[in-house]
Amino acid sequence: AQSVTQLDSQVPVFEEAPVELRCNYSSSVSVYLFWYVQYPNQGLQLLLKYLSGSTLVKGINGFEAEFNKSQTSFHLRKPSVHISDTAEYFCAVSEYGGSNYKLTFGKGTLLTVNP
Amino acid sequence: NAGVTQTPKFQVLKTGQSMTLQCAQDMNHEYMSWYRQDPGMGLRLIHYSVGAGITDQGEVPNGYNVSRSTTEDFPLRLLSAAPSQTSVYFCASRRARTEAYNEQFFGPGTRLTVL
Repeated sequence: AQSVTQLDSQVPVFEEAPVELRCNYSSSVSVYLFWYVQYPNQGLQLLLKYLSGSTLVKGINGFEAEFNKSQTSFHLRKPSVHISDTAEYFCAVSEYGGSNYKLTFGKGTLLTVNP
Repeated sequence: NAGVTQTPKFQVLKTGQSMTLQCAQDMNHEYMSWYRQDPGMGLRLIHYSVGAGITDQGEVPNGYNVSRSTTEDFPLRLLSAAPSQTSVYFCASRRARTEAYNEQFFGPGTRLTVL
């Protein structure tokens, strides 16, 4: 079965600093990888996804993520954060090629951007 | 398109009461699911449906029932509420069961408190 580990539950940073949110996954088959963002008191929305091809994926709001198959990681990065990036970020994995079409989420990383 | 809608936004129940959380989508999506979100636990799958008349259990199904009589609606029923069911509930939909590479669209959530 697939699983996702988000290595940091909280990440505080100052505005305009770079940030990396770490995600590792486990699966016995090939996977699709996603990052979702949840702004305060809202539902989740897709930030970016990796399906295949180039390992560097660009998403909305200046975020990008890099897929590393050997490290089974999919870390999210932004070179310069804004106050408005304060939110909870979820890494998620979905297997393909089998009968399991479910999306499994990590426990989330709360990014707090301070002035 | 309204996307995925959920009602109510907030609900307070007493232990033992029953209620139904409503979820509807207007995108003609085949796949719908219910998650609960608890602090530090991420999102956990309760039940899902791969089409009208077809439902299955997720990771944490105990205490919840679902049915899917139409493509649009996927209500979640709490038969006898317990304090452990205090949580934020999200409904989500995706175009097709087999399209694990596709985005899931989330509703705004229902915040449930069981006293």
